[in-house]
Amino acid sequence: AQTVTQSQPEMSVQEAETVTLSCTYDTSESDYYLFWYKQPPSRQMILVIRQEAYKQQNATENRFSVNFQKAAKSFSLKISDSQLGDAAMYFCAYRSPDTGTASKLTFGTGTRLQVTL
Amino acid sequence: NAGVTQTPKFRILKIGQSMTLQCAQDMNHNYMYWYRQDPGMGLKLIYYSVGAGITDKGEVPNGYNVSRSTTEDFPLRLELAAPSQTSVYFCASSRQGLRNEQFFGPGTRLTVL
Repeated sequence: AQTVTQSQPEMSVQEAETVTLSCTYDTSESDYYLFWYKQPPSRQMILVIRQEAYKQQNATENRFSVNFQKAAKSFSLKISDSQLGDAAMYFCAYRSPDTGTASKLTFGTGTRLQVTL
Repeated sequence: NAGVTQTPKFRILKIGQSMTLQCAQDMNHNYMYWYRQDPGMGLKLIYYSVGAGITDKGEVPNGYNVSRSTTEDFPLRLELAAPSQTSVYFCASSRQGLRNEQFFGPGTRLTVL
């Protein structure tokens, strides 16, 4: 079974600075997707960024980018120019291939990000 | 589009009571999911469905039942509620396909006393 590990329960960053959230995963599959979801205090789960395992190029979405190291099974999220609205829980998630049944997401335990002035 | 909607937002149950959490989506997604999120933890899959009439167990199905009679609706039934079922419940939906994101509802906070 796949496992996803987020080893940083909490992180703090100053406004306008850069922060990196770590995620590692364990799998024997070669094709899969990785996601970062943001969960603000409203509890709504919001997709931040996704990465396909077959793509060597790291995904970017505006101020958010990932460092995907397939061999090391590492998938970190970098937030540049941090804003107060970035304060939230961040979850790393692994999605296995769609083999005829719904491919399922496996979540890490989350990292709570605080943004300070 | 309303996306994924869930009712109720909050509920308190007594031990042994039953209830149904409602979930609906208006995006014509084939796939729907139910997750629970315990305090300080990530989401765990309870049940999922790949289409009307088809459901399957996830990681933590015990104490729950689901049905999928239409594409739009995917209710989750709790029978004989227990304190261990105190959690936040999320419904999600997606199109078929590995790269397609799951869209989540706002969640239902359930407390069993």
